[in-house]
Amino acid sequence: AQSVTQLDSQVPVFEEAPVELRCNYSSSVSVYLFWYVQYPNQGLQLLLKYLSGSTLVKGINGFEAEFNKSQTSFHLRKPSVHISDTAEYFCAVSNAGNNRKLIWGLGTSLAVNP
Amino acid sequence: NAGVTQTPKFRVLKTGQSMTLLCAQDMNHEYMYWYRQDPGMGLRLIHYSVGEGTTAKGEVPDGYNVSRLKKQNFLLGLESAAPSQTSVYFCASSYSTGAPLDTQYFGPGTRLTVL
Repeated sequence: AQSVTQLDSQVPVFEEAPVELRCNYSSSVSVYLFWYVQYPNQGLQLLLKYLSGSTLVKGINGFEAEFNKSQTSFHLRKPSVHISDTAEYFCAVSNAGNNRKLIWGLGTSLAVNP
Repeated sequence: NAGVTQTPKFRVLKTGQSMTLLCAQDMNHEYMYWYRQDPGMGLRLIHYSVGEGTTAKGEVPDGYNVSRLKKQNFLLGLESAAPSQTSVYFCASSYSTGAPLDTQYFGPGTRLTVL
């Protein structure tokens, strides 16, 4: 069975500082990996995804993530955050052979302070 | 192009009452999903549909029913609401035929309170 662990439930950071949100997964098969963002009182939207190929994936709003198969991780990074990045971030995994359903992490709340 | 819309946005029910949440998408997506989001528990899949006329159970289906009579609509029903069903409900849709990956597109959510 697949599972996703987001290692930090809350991450406070100052504006313009770098940030890393950590995600580990477990799976016995090939996977697709995703990061979604949820701004306050809104639905989720896709930040970036890893299907295959280059392990460094770039997404919207200056975010990027690196797939590390040996460590089964997919950490999200941004070199300089803005107040507007304050949101809930979700990591998710799907079975590459049957990607009808996503397995979700519990989320990481990013709070960017001035 | 409205994407995924949900009706209503807010609702308060009394225990035992019934209601239906409507999800509509205008992207011609094959797959549709209903999730609930609760503090500290992330997103949990209630039911999903892989096409018109088909539905399947997700992780937490008890107390809910769904129907997909039209491709663009996915209804979530609560026959007898319970306080444990107080939550924020999200609908999502994705396209599958010929595509290697289903990116899920989410609606804005319905905040339901059961007293």
